[in-house]
Amino acid sequence: EVQLVESGGGLVQPGRSLRLSCTASGFTFGDYAMSWVRQAPGKGLEWVGFIRSKAYGGTTEYAASVKGRFTISRDDSKSIAYLQMNSLKTEDTAVYYCTRDFMVITYWGQGTLVTVSS
Amino acid sequence: EIVLTQSPGTLSLSPGERATLSCRASQSVSSSYLAWYQQKPGQAPRLLIYGASSRATGIPDRFSGSGSGTDFTLTISRLEPEDFAVYYCQQYGSSPPGTFGQGTKVEIK
Repeated sequence: EVQLVESGGGLVQPGRSLRLSCTASGFTFGDYAMSWVRQAPGKGLEWVGFIRSKAYGGTTEYAASVKGRFTISRDDSKSIAYLQMNSLKTEDTAVYYCTRDFMVITYWGQGTLVTVSS
Repeated sequence: EIVLTQSPGTLSLSPGERATLSCRASQSVSSSYLAWYQQKPGQAPRLLIYGASSRATGIPDRFSGSGSGTDFTLTISRLEPEDFAVYYCQQYGSSPPGTFGQGTKVEIK
């Protein structure tokens, strides 16, 4: 059974940093791209970015709203994907979902809430 | 960047009725790379439809998708109580991939 478990969310002040982790199980992690999707309270879904598998270069793509501030990485030996969030803004407040794949998304984590507030 | 516009914003219907949800793209979605997701409160989204018209594994056949180019439709033939939720379309054919529409809420009338 595919499982994705996010961790690392919480309350953080504007301008500070936070790193989210996504621990995967039930599939060969290194074979898949991993992505992050967020949802602000009461709002719709917003794609944040993704990282390709090593077979496709392990490269990353980001939404314009987070480019230059957020970085996605992966540790295939631990089956973990990371979302490093720097220079956080209040508008980054959202539930952050980890997903397997970035196109057709069959598997989602349960989400972790990030609140950016002073 | 392709912008997806969903309509209506809210659909008020009764169980047993037919629901028709629209997703319009600002540019043609290549190869019908259009998906639909259902989201219930407090839950992660669930994939319903991909490739504009292919049902995901385990999705009941009352859900169907159609369309191409810039106009896509999700149809729920007869609403069941568990179908009242928010529905999102997503395009994954153009960069940046994964852009979503703003959602359509299907609520009980």
